[in-house]
Amino acid sequence: GEDVEQSLFLSVREGDSSVINCTYTDSSSTYLYWYKQEPGAGLQLLTYIFSNMDMKQDQRLTVLLNKKDKHLSLRIADTQTGDSAIYFCAETLSGGYNKLIFGAGTRLAVHP
Amino acid sequence: EAGVTQSPTHLIKTRGQQATLRCSPISGHTSVYWYQQALGLGLQFLLWYDEGEERNRGNFPPRFSGRQFPNYSSELNVNALELEDSALYLCASRAGGELFFGEGSRLTVL
Repeated sequence: GEDVEQSLFLSVREGDSSVINCTYTDSSSTYLYWYKQEPGAGLQLLTYIFSNMDMKQDQRLTVLLNKKDKHLSLRIADTQTGDSAIYFCAETLSGGYNKLIFGAGTRLAVHP
Repeated sequence: EAGVTQSPTHLIKTRGQQATLRCSPISGHTSVYWYQQALGLGLQFLLWYDEGEERNRGNFPPRFSGRQFPNYSSELNVNALELEDSALYLCASRAGGELFFGEGSRLTVL
């Protein structure tokens, strides 16, 4: 089946690291994504990882993929108030469906 | 380079009316995707168009329809509007493994 699950809320102190977790069910997923949505705005692609990778780092962002457990995480180092937003995990299916399945989103709140 | 553009930004309709939303993909992108983001819910896949053809649709009733034009822009039509159709409708275009989203059209049904 198609299902992506995320915790709904995360609160961190400014300067700490944030870790947002996601689990997915389709083992045939080819790409896994993290998107950011700020209030009143569309979705901004943060990063994505191919299913044959287990880690990807891009400046303050680190994505870890555990294919065995179908678990994806996004770590934001030195979290800033500007990182406050909703973060969506998404998977794309193989087999020609070519669509993204999104989680419900994790609201990250950064406090001083 | 211009990103994905959507219009209108906001649209207010009454129950039973029809709504038309428009999307222009990034230049050179041939695939357009439509998603619905209802309040408090995640993104639900609506439709995928590529090269002018509907390639896939999500679990939505037939009153949600659309088309893609020869210039790859797309239109989403929602007929017989219901209150629960109130949502942010997001369009995206694709290049390789990356999906780029527009800012969305917020539809309010009264």
